[in-house]
Amino acid sequence: AQSVTQLDSHVSVSEGTPVLLRCNYSSSYSPSLFWYVQHPNKGLQLLLKYTSAATLVKGINGFEAEFKKSETSFHLTKPSAHMSDAAEYFCVVSAPLDEAAGNKLTFGGGTRVLVKP
Amino acid sequence: ETGVTQSPTHLIKTRGQQVTLRCSSQSGHNTVSWYQQALGQGPQFIFQYYREEENGRGNFPPRFSGLQFPNYSSELNVNALELDDSALYLCASSSRVSSYNEQFFGPGTRLTVL
Repeated sequence: AQSVTQLDSHVSVSEGTPVLLRCNYSSSYSPSLFWYVQHPNKGLQLLLKYTSAATLVKGINGFEAEFKKSETSFHLTKPSAHMSDAAEYFCVVSAPLDEAAGNKLTFGGGTRVLVKP
Repeated sequence: ETGVTQSPTHLIKTRGQQVTLRCSSQSGHNTVSWYQQALGQGPQFIFQYYREEENGRGNFPPRFSGLQFPNYSSELNVNALELDDSALYLCASSSRVSSYNEQFFGPGTRLTVL
């Protein structure tokens, strides 16, 4: 079984300051991990993914995340927040389906980011 | 390249009714997954379709059913609607060729059950 815990339901930062979104996961398998962003009234957009290559993963819009197996964490960071970063962020673990090939995504509860001018 | 599209955008139904939501997958993708996102929560996996067969299912009752067509588009059907079915329904497509099965999401259909 797999699960994802996002440690903060809301994060508030000032524009130009760093952003840290925390995520811990549990997985029976060697995990594939993702971060998705959801802007209001829009679909989910993939920010970055970890698939057992480099542990430091760079994504779009200046985001990056570090996979730490010993801590079962996959925290998302950005050095300098922009107003456009205000959105909901989801940490996601991918695991094989029991019945057949293919995978399902298990989402964390989400972290809402507010960026203050 | 055309992305994942869903229709309708919004829908209002009453308890006990039935609803059908539609999804067109991204070009080249042969697998479709459906997720339910209740207000203030992360999406939850409903089921996945591959080669027109249900390939896996989450913790949802049988009144949630689906179809996949030869062109890989898909439908989600919900019978005997309940108030708790009010949510954003997301469709995602992916390719089995991809080693990590990245899923690409549509904008969703917002269902309100009164």
